[in-house]
Amino acid sequence: GQNIDQPTEMTATEGAIVQINCTYQTSGFNGLFWYQQHAGEAPTFLSYNVLDGLEEKGRFSSFLSRSKGYSYLLLKELQMKDSASYLCAIMDSNYQLIWGAGTKLIIKP
Amino acid sequence: IAGITQAPTSQILAAGRRMTLRCTQDMRHNAMYWYRQDLGLGLRLIHYSNTAGTTGKGEVPDGYSVSRANTDDFPLTLASAVPSQTSVYFCASSERGEGNEQFFGPGTRLTVL
Repeated sequence: GQNIDQPTEMTATEGAIVQINCTYQTSGFNGLFWYQQHAGEAPTFLSYNVLDGLEEKGRFSSFLSRSKGYSYLLLKELQMKDSASYLCAIMDSNYQLIWGAGTKLIIKP
Repeated sequence: IAGITQAPTSQILAAGRRMTLRCTQDMRHNAMYWYRQDLGLGLRLIHYSNTAGTTGKGEVPDGYSVSRANTDDFPLTLASAVPSQTSVYFCASSERGEGNEQFFGPGTRLTVL
C-alpha cells in the first residue's frame, strides 16, 4: 500500500528556521514534490527531489532519503507570508501524485 | 496569461441535481487531473486524462464522470449530486512524465444540500 505522513500543524517564529518532515511508504517512486497552499488558494509548486540529497532554492530547501522513505522541507528566515499549508506528494510508477494531508504552518511575530 | 481556469468559483446545489465543473488550460499540457480536497485529508484524485481522448479512474471516482474531447478542456460531471460530494474541487495539468510539476486551477467550492 501507499502511505504518506506529515505533522498536522506546526508553529514557528518570524525570522526563525522550521523543518517540516514527510515520511512515506510507496510501491513505486518517481520522485517527491513539495507544494505550498495558502488558505483558500490553489497549491503551488515548491520543489522536486528524485535523488538523495539536498536541493536548495532561496530560503527553501528540500531533502530526500529514498532508503529511509523520508523527506523534509526547510524554511529559513521565516516571514509572515510563509503561513500556509505545505503538502508532500509522491509521484508513483504511473506518474501520478499521491498526496499527504498537509502540514499547516503558523508563523508568529 | 497562460494557466488553468475553472468555473464556477463556487456553487450551492440541491441534492439530486446534475452539475458540470469546467476546466480549461492553455499550456498545451497532455495530462489533466481532477482532485477533491476535504479538511484533514490530502488531495484525492477523482479522474485523470493522460492525453486527449483517454480518461482513467483515480482513487475516488464513484459519482463522477469526465471527458477529454480536446487538449484544453476537461469537464467533471456529477450526475446526481449527494451531500458527501460537498468539497473543494481542483483541476490540474502537467506534462506527463517524471518530475513534471502539476499546475492547479483556482478551485471550485461546491456545497450540496
